[in-house]
Amino acid sequence: EIVMTQSPATLSVSPGERATLSCRASQSISSNLAWYQQTPGQAPRLLIYGASTRATGIPARFSGSGSGTEFTLTIGSLQSEDFAVYYCQHYNNWPPWTFGQGTKVEIK
Amino acid sequence: QLQLQESGPGLMRPSETLSLTCSVSGGSISSDSHYWGWIRQPPGKGLEWIASIYYRGYTHYNLSLQSRVSISIDTSKNQFSLRLSSVTAADTAVFYCARQRVIGTGGWFDTWGQGILVTVSS
Repeated sequence: EIVMTQSPATLSVSPGERATLSCRASQSISSNLAWYQQTPGQAPRLLIYGASTRATGIPARFSGSGSGTEFTLTIGSLQSEDFAVYYCQHYNNWPPWTFGQGTKVEIK
Repeated sequence: QLQLQESGPGLMRPSETLSLTCSVSGGSISSDSHYWGWIRQPPGKGLEWIASIYYRGYTHYNLSLQSRVSISIDTSKNQFSLRLSSVTAADTAVFYCARQRVIGTGGWFDTWGQGILVTVSS
């Protein structure tokens, strides 16, 4: 099973600042990585797939990068609605398709 | 616009079998490009993929739950379902159904239901 490890667990950022979230895979997953955003009481929302492709309707301030085992989600100029928990998920090869434990982005 | 809606009991007793259904509207479940999956999230915790199914009946299960889980699909009703047997308090979670876009041997979850909280308690 591929283990996904996200860091940091919590990120404190001021509105308008940039946030950088990390996700590491326990073995190479090429670019088979997705990012999701979850606000309290809501279902996760797909942000990024293929490590760097924004999903339909996702603002350009969200960007993803990386391949192999190291991945980054960058949120440029944080808006109030961006304070949420973010999860990465690999979909490399056969299941289980595992998620990271999440990074909470909170208001500083 | 594709929508998914979970239905099922909100409260279960230990040792019972949980049955959940996901109703799909605004699109066909008989899609060549998608699987249909279940993911759960215990209160205050992260996401765990449970199982996925293709409209032709091909299934994938999380090995950690495989002995207790069954996923099925009914294309005539545009629904798919999950059964989880011998539930315990550790199975208390919000259960989400989701559409999974498949590329090669895996894929991302691009559309989610709102989720249903299932509590297991005596």
